[in-house]
Amino acid sequence: AQRVTQPEKLLSVFKGAPVELKCNYSYSGSPELFWYVQYSRQRLQLLLRHISRESIKGFTADLNKGETSFHLKKPFAQEEDSAMYYCALSGVAAGNKLTFGGGTRVLVKP
Amino acid sequence: EAQVTQNPRYLITVTGKKLTVTCSQNMNHEYMSWYRQDPGLGLRQIYYSMNVEVTDKGDVPEGYKVSRKEKRNFPLILESPSPNQTSLYFCASRKGQGLNTGELFFGEGSRLTVL
Repeated sequence: AQRVTQPEKLLSVFKGAPVELKCNYSYSGSPELFWYVQYSRQRLQLLLRHISRESIKGFTADLNKGETSFHLKKPFAQEEDSAMYYCALSGVAAGNKLTFGGGTRVLVKP
Repeated sequence: EAQVTQNPRYLITVTGKKLTVTCSQNMNHEYMSWYRQDPGLGLRQIYYSMNVEVTDKGDVPEGYKVSRKEKRNFPLILESPSPNQTSLYFCASRKGQGLNTGELFFGEGSRLTVL
């Protein structure tokens, strides 16, 4: 069964400091990985996906198949980055069902 | 505007009183899904639908029913709600069924309290 693990429930950093949100997964096959974000009082929205290999709002994430990880990083956190972040996985082997991790709350202090 | 709309947004009900949370999308998406969000447990999938008349259980389907009679609508039914179904519910949709099908669009959420 596919599984997504986000080991940190809460990450608290100061503005301007680097931030890294960990995501590990288990899946048999080639997964599609995503990061979704939920800002306060807003709906969940896609932040980035590994296929796009893009940087959104300064965030990047690299799929490491050897370590089965998809960590999200930003070199200089901003206060507006405070939000709930979810790592998610989808794949053909699991009927393209999207499975989410438990989420990490990021708090960026001034 | 492309969106996923859920109703009601907030509901307080009592144990055993049947309720339905509606979900509608205007993007002609094939795939729709329901999730519940609980503190410390993240988002857990309840049911999903690959297309009209095709539904399947997610990770936590007990106590819930769904139907997909039309492409745009995917209601979530709680036949006999219990307090452990108190949660924040999200409906979501996306295009297609295979890989690279695009992002999942979420509704604003429905906060349900069962007394």
